Amino acid sequence: GQNIDQPTEMTATEGAIVQINCTYQTSGFNGLFWYQQHAGEAPTFLSYNVLDGLEEKGRFSSFLSRSKGYSYLLLKELQMKDSASYLCAVKSMDSWGKLQFGAGTQVVVTP
Amino acid sequence: EAQVTQNPRYLITVTGKKLTVTCSQNMNHEYMSWYRQDPGLGLRQIYYSMNVEVTDKGDVPEGYKVSRKEKRNFPLILESPSPNQTSLYFCASSSGLGTSGGEQFFGPGTRLTVL
Repeated sequence: GQNIDQPTEMTATEGAIVQINCTYQTSGFNGLFWYQQHAGEAPTFLSYNVLDGLEEKGRFSSFLSRSKGYSYLLLKELQMKDSASYLCAVKSMDSWGKLQFGAGTQVVVTP
Repeated sequence: EAQVTQNPRYLITVTGKKLTVTCSQNMNHEYMSWYRQDPGLGLRQIYYSMNVEVTDKGDVPEGYKVSRKEKRNFPLILESPSPNQTSLYFCASSSGLGTSGGEQFFGPGTRLTVL
């Protein structure tokens, strides 16, 4: 099985940087996703990491260390619209179809 | 427009009254999945389907059934709903290809209340 941990809530100021950590324990790791979910809406895809290292996409970057069972999502130049829940999800080697999500990190951006 | 649709969007029902939540995608995706989302617990996978006539259990399948007779549709069936199935339900689909690792596209959600 898998156990995925991420902080419940983080607060940061507009224009700042926030790093959301995700740790996981899995019997067979096959990739890690980050999704963004605004209140009352469906999750939307942000990034995917399967190899160690940093993937950069504009203001958002995602990092993975498979040996440490650790990932982070970095949000730079925070904007008010970045206030949302950020979900870490792990794909299992045992079954490609199975996906487990963390409980999500609520990011609050203040003026 | 490429999308995943769910119906109904909101439903209030009573214990034991069978219901079906429909899910349809127009992206020719092979993979589809159902999740429920509850406060503090995040998204939990109920069932998923790798292709037509191929379904498998997720982490919380008890009390639910699914079918995948056509590629585009993946209905979620609650034969005898109970109050603990009150939740927000999301359907998702994915092509499973490319560098995105199987990025999932989510439907708008169905808010179900079982009294």
